[in-house]
Amino acid sequence: GAGVSQSPSNKVTEKGKDVELRCDPISGHTALYWYRQSLGQGLEFLIYFQGNSAPDKSGLPSDRFSAERTGGSVSTLTIQRTQQEDSAVYLCASSLAGTSGRREQYFGPGTRLTVT
Amino acid sequence: AQSVTQLGSHVSVSEGALVLLRCNYSSSVPPYLFWYVQYPNQGLQLLLKYTTGATLVKGINGFEAEFKKSETSFHLTKPSAHMSDAAEYFCAVTLPSGAGSYQLTFGKGTKLSVIP
Repeated sequence: GAGVSQSPSNKVTEKGKDVELRCDPISGHTALYWYRQSLGQGLEFLIYFQGNSAPDKSGLPSDRFSAERTGGSVSTLTIQRTQQEDSAVYLCASSLAGTSGRREQYFGPGTRLTVT
Repeated sequence: AQSVTQLGSHVSVSEGALVLLRCNYSSSVPPYLFWYVQYPNQGLQLLLKYTTGATLVKGINGFEAEFKKSETSFHLTKPSAHMSDAAEYFCAVTLPSGAGSYQLTFGKGTKLSVIP
């Protein structure tokens, strides 16, 4: 595909359920990022993957959040035991090797998560 | 740590009028600066970026921004607003290199309305 794709586009879940959000980065992009966009907090960095290096998980808000990246491509963000405060738009981005701030991050359309 | 402040969560301009969206940053080292635009239900699209060199940066859709180190500002301007410019605009900062250089720190965003 031409851009970053995310699925599902919308997800409604009940409090306490687990959810998985998927991101397909641009082909050839070795760096992948997850951000969260919420009304109260704005846009927040969550996690960063670069090639085979250990991910930077410093932005994950709690241990209920985890992410993996299989084969250096597709990534899944998992939220366990969802809470209402997890309701937000989850954005994925990818770039060429991300060790320089110069690298442009290309964003997907996001997954809107609503926890009822 | 770096931070971004965007003055004005909502800005309204008349079609054809000057657009000015304000962004001030805080960083311990000279940062890289970005403006992104977000249309409803879409991801973020890069408008322009400043890394090094010329402090006046031109971007897509007729937008430009000037990096002013003495004022720690990176305001976004467009001489003549068009209806299609109505969107939310985010200023972001990152470090040029080293730890955290891949992580964008965003402002809260400014929603631009264009009045016909």
